[in-house]
Amino acid sequence: AQTVTQSQPEMSVQEAETVTLSCTYDTSESDYYLFWYKQPPSRQMILVIRQEAYKQQNATENRFSVNFQKAAKSFSLKISDSQLGDAAMYFCAYRSLEYGNKLVFGAGTILRVKS
Amino acid sequence: NAGVTQTPKFQVLKTGQSMTLQCAQDMNHNSMYWYRQDPGMGLRLIYYSASEGTTDKGEVPNGYNVSRLNKREFSLRLESAAPSQTSVYFCASRTNHNSGNTIYFGEGSWLTVV
Repeated sequence: AQTVTQSQPEMSVQEAETVTLSCTYDTSESDYYLFWYKQPPSRQMILVIRQEAYKQQNATENRFSVNFQKAAKSFSLKISDSQLGDAAMYFCAYRSLEYGNKLVFGAGTILRVKS
Repeated sequence: NAGVTQTPKFQVLKTGQSMTLQCAQDMNHNSMYWYRQDPGMGLRLIYYSASEGTTDKGEVPNGYNVSRLNKREFSLRLESAAPSQTSVYFCASRTNHNSGNTIYFGEGSWLTVV
């Protein structure tokens, strides 16, 4: 079974600084997708960034980038120039391509941004 | 833009009662999901359906049943509610195309079992 682990229940960052959120996963599949989602207090789930496992290049979306280490099964999210609006719960997620698009989430990391 | 619609939004049940959470999407999506969200445990997959007519168990299926009535609707049933099922429930959907990496979530259903 695929599992996703986020070992940091909470993280804090000063406004304008950089923070990295960790995520590891376990799978026997060779091809899959990885995602980071943001959930603000409204509970809405917002896609932040995605990574296809077959791509070696790390995905980047503006201030958000990932460090994808396939052999280590690690997928961390780096947020640069942190803003107050980045404060939220962040979820790492894995989507299987073999098991009917099964989509599994980690437990989440609460990110607090200090002004 | 309706997107994913869940009903009811709030429900209080007594232990042993049954109820069905309804979910409908109007985006012609193939895959639909039911999750529960508990403090410190994130989103846990209860059941999912990759297409109309198919359903599969997720991480925490015990105590739940699902029905993929048609392409639009995916319901979650609690046959005999227990206090451990107090949670926020989210329905979600996505297209099966590989480009379909946006997952659309409903607004959540707050369920309390007393």
